[in-house]
Amino acid sequence: QKEVEQDPGPLSVPEGAIVSLNCTYSNSAFQYFMWYRQYSRKGPELLMYTYSSGNKEDGRFTAQVDKSSKYISLFIRDSQPSDSATYLCAMSPIYNQGGKLIFGQGTELSVKP
Amino acid sequence: KAGVTQTPRYLIKTRGQQVTLSCSPISGHRSVSWYQQTPGQGLQFLFEYFSETQRNKGNFPGRFSGRQFSNSRSEMNVSTLELGDSALYLCASTAWGSLGYTFGSGTRLTVV
Repeated sequence: QKEVEQDPGPLSVPEGAIVSLNCTYSNSAFQYFMWYRQYSRKGPELLMYTYSSGNKEDGRFTAQVDKSSKYISLFIRDSQPSDSATYLCAMSPIYNQGGKLIFGQGTELSVKP
Repeated sequence: KAGVTQTPRYLIKTRGQQVTLSCSPISGHRSVSWYQQTPGQGLQFLFEYFSETQRNKGNFPGRFSGRQFSNSRSEMNVSTLELGDSALYLCASTAWGSLGYTFGSGTRLTVV
């Protein structure tokens, strides 16, 4: 079983929809949680990171962490065609020690005009 | 501010050959990590360097190696290439104390 599970999709939604992307994890030592967006032929781009359980908002994006359930989510409001990309969750047990992030498989999102 | 630069962007190599990939981090970033991305396994951590020292290593065979220079630029080397080494190799850099890993666009390696 992988340490981080993420539904690979693909997920297709109409423009303006609310998108929910999720990851579950098994290692309770994970303390830091990140969401990356990866466009085709590009490297991953950091969207948000959070440490504690609860919600963190940045524009149209909201990251949610539930450590008791080992479950994290990324919500995208008013989705746009430019949001079409692969979204990767990533986790780390120790703050910036050794640079190792554990990634989910990524969810491919398509937002249709 | 320049991003993380990886060269070359594309490579085609034959089984048994070796290859060297290069990564120039963002100016001021001293931590450089390398990842392998494949459709089947996703992103997998290879190793991380900080101030020319390898601090962490993933579960890859010894054919995969790396180094970091005094200017923080890093190289990774894969010897005796196998077909299964075909992947996108990504480099990421960050400043000390930051979770903000910035990735390069990667080097697409194809082994034939």
